[in-house]
Amino acid sequence: AQKITQTQPGMFVQEKEAVTLDCTYDTSDQSYGLFWYKQPSSGEMIFLIYQGSYDEQNATEGRYSLNFQKARKSANLVISASQLGDSAMYFCAMRERNYGQNFVFGPGTRLSVLP
Amino acid sequence: DTGVSQDPRHKITKRGQNVTFRCDPISEHNRLYWYRQTLGQGPEFLTYFQNEAQLEKSRLLSDRFSAERPKGSFSTLEIQRTEQGDSAMYLCASSFTRTALDPYGYTFGSGTRLTVV
Repeated sequence: AQKITQTQPGMFVQEKEAVTLDCTYDTSDQSYGLFWYKQPSSGEMIFLIYQGSYDEQNATEGRYSLNFQKARKSANLVISASQLGDSAMYFCAMRERNYGQNFVFGPGTRLSVLP
Repeated sequence: DTGVSQDPRHKITKRGQNVTFRCDPISEHNRLYWYRQTLGQGPEFLTYFQNEAQLEKSRLLSDRFSAERPKGSFSTLEIQRTEQGDSAMYLCASSFTRTALDPYGYTFGSGTRLTVV
């Protein structure tokens, strides 16, 4: 079964507008972390934001915020004031305390920012 | 320290040939990971080292794949008798995590893109 689901293969947003990228996850672990990574065409994975399963506040990092709804098992990424440089692939990922050191990634969402 | 380095960036090989990729992690990181990313998908975990010990291997890592980290520093990933299905981006990452879920201690390289023709 998919552990991370991203239902939007592609998204378009106008420059300076906000956009929400969806992510739902599946785990039976009580302790886990949710991450968002950006992958531009050059290939590197750039860490954007993190939410721990016990964190009560939604995470924010500059223009990025994470809308964490634990009961619904969703961890949506909100990008405010989109910029042309935000055009990239975005991956939601999870690490579970009881299942080792590796990430489980979703299939990604390709975001295109329009001028 | 310039981060995680991978070499080569691109590799084109004929089906049936062997290929080897190298990953140089951040020097103080004791953990090293390999992931495979096929077109249009997220990265999938292949294997993980702590120092020189290979502690975990995914079922994706068939007998044709072998990874080493001989002195606990750089790592190599070899694919023998390559197949077209091996065409993918191979990503390396390293970490020195203080806690299991430390978000800031995990760094990815830019990957090696393999094309098997």
